[in-house]
Amino acid sequence: GEDVEQSLFLSVREGDSSVINCTYTDSSSTYLYWYKQEPGAGLQLLTYIFSNMDMKQDQRLTVLLNKKDKHLSLRIADTQTGDSAIYFCAETLRAGGSYIPTFGRGTSLIVHP
Amino acid sequence: GAGVSQSPSNKVTEKGKDVELRCDPISGHTALYWYRQRLGQGLEFLIYFQGNSAPDKSGLPSDRFSAERTGESVSTLTIQRTQQEDSAVYLCASSLVEGFGNTIYFGEGSWLTVV
Repeated sequence: GEDVEQSLFLSVREGDSSVINCTYTDSSSTYLYWYKQEPGAGLQLLTYIFSNMDMKQDQRLTVLLNKKDKHLSLRIADTQTGDSAIYFCAETLRAGGSYIPTFGRGTSLIVHP
Repeated sequence: GAGVSQSPSNKVTEKGKDVELRCDPISGHTALYWYRQRLGQGLEFLIYFQGNSAPDKSGLPSDRFSAERTGESVSTLTIQRTQQEDSAVYLCASSLVEGFGNTIYFGEGSWLTVV
């Protein structure tokens, strides 16, 4: 596909793990990112992974990268109500002479008690 | 400043009027991006500035949209003759330099409503 694709919604129970999936477009993308957007706020970088890695772990966050399938996932362990937000996957595409961060539509994570 | 600052945070305007949105990037950041986010949608790239190079305007949706940046400082996004479909959050971001591996930092956005 031509777009960064993500499912639109994910609902989990507090304390469970959340897995948010993303399919990106360019196999040569060197860095892939996860951003978090809380209601009424801008985007904050959560984590990123370099393309020569398969996995990156940062506290409750685990990023998995499958370059062959151009698939990226974000796992949040022990999900809390404060994790409720929209999560955006992004890759950096070369467009003309520029590298432009290109985002998916975002996955709304809803955490219920 | 400490972060990317955008103003106004909210703007309601009548259809047909012009609006200006301002972005003050993080000091020292040479790259500056504008994105548009419609309700329930992802981020749509609009325009990109890198230092003193010519801006990448490939994402601007029509000639009603324009943007300027003075050196490596403030940028202004102007929308002329606004239409209802222009209603969206306009997000500005900056990074130290262009390219992959350089984290981009977002402002909180300017919420534009065209009535």
